[in-house]
Amino acid sequence: ETGVTQTPRHLVMGMTNKKSLKCEQHLGHNAMYWYKQSAKKPLELMFVYNFKEQTENNSVPSRFSPECPNSSHLFLHLHTLQPEDSALYLCASSQESGANVLTFGAGSRLTVL
Amino acid sequence: GQNIDQPTEMTATEGAIVQINCTYQTSGFNGLFWYQQHAGEAPTFLSYNVLDGLEEKGRFSSFLSRSKGYSYLLLKELQMKDSASYLCAVKQAGTALIFGKGTTLSVSS
Repeated sequence: ETGVTQTPRHLVMGMTNKKSLKCEQHLGHNAMYWYKQSAKKPLELMFVYNFKEQTENNSVPSRFSPECPNSSHLFLHLHTLQPEDSALYLCASSQESGANVLTFGAGSRLTVL
Repeated sequence: GQNIDQPTEMTATEGAIVQINCTYQTSGFNGLFWYQQHAGEAPTFLSYNVLDGLEEKGRFSSFLSRSKGYSYLLLKELQMKDSASYLCAVKQAGTALIFGKGTTLSVSS
């Protein structure tokens, strides 16, 4: 596999559920990102990891919990979400966090009921 | 803080030329990017400008004026497959990319 792979592509969950989104990159990059994309709104940066260390948390509610076990994998753990959290969650990677070009995955479409 | 503005929607016909504008206000400017995103797909990198002027890449060109906080993406010889959202994004030193809302371009025959 090449590029940035996200699973699952679609997820429906209730407000009391716990689920996780997974992202894997095969590009040898050292930085990984979570962005949230909602209709009619800009892509919102959520978290940045550089060499497995979190370097940015853009005031994201604690019901979103990221995990980066190594430079190739990034998770977003979800619990007690709200309907307004329904969105497309995009993972991206770059050579390092100061690098310019991001490579995005196709996203995980989340619906919270 | 930062503010990035671009039109919400644009329409054009096959073979035509379209210009998508982006204005921005930011501190510590470190480059402007354009990404293309087809429905249901990942955004893909199109262009990067950090110096004033025009960067040409095939049918697509991108222009930047740092003093005016202004960029545009120019698409020539439009094709149906160019129907997509075009995202303007600004890089500030020390932070990740900040995106505008995107411009949805519809190309008709």
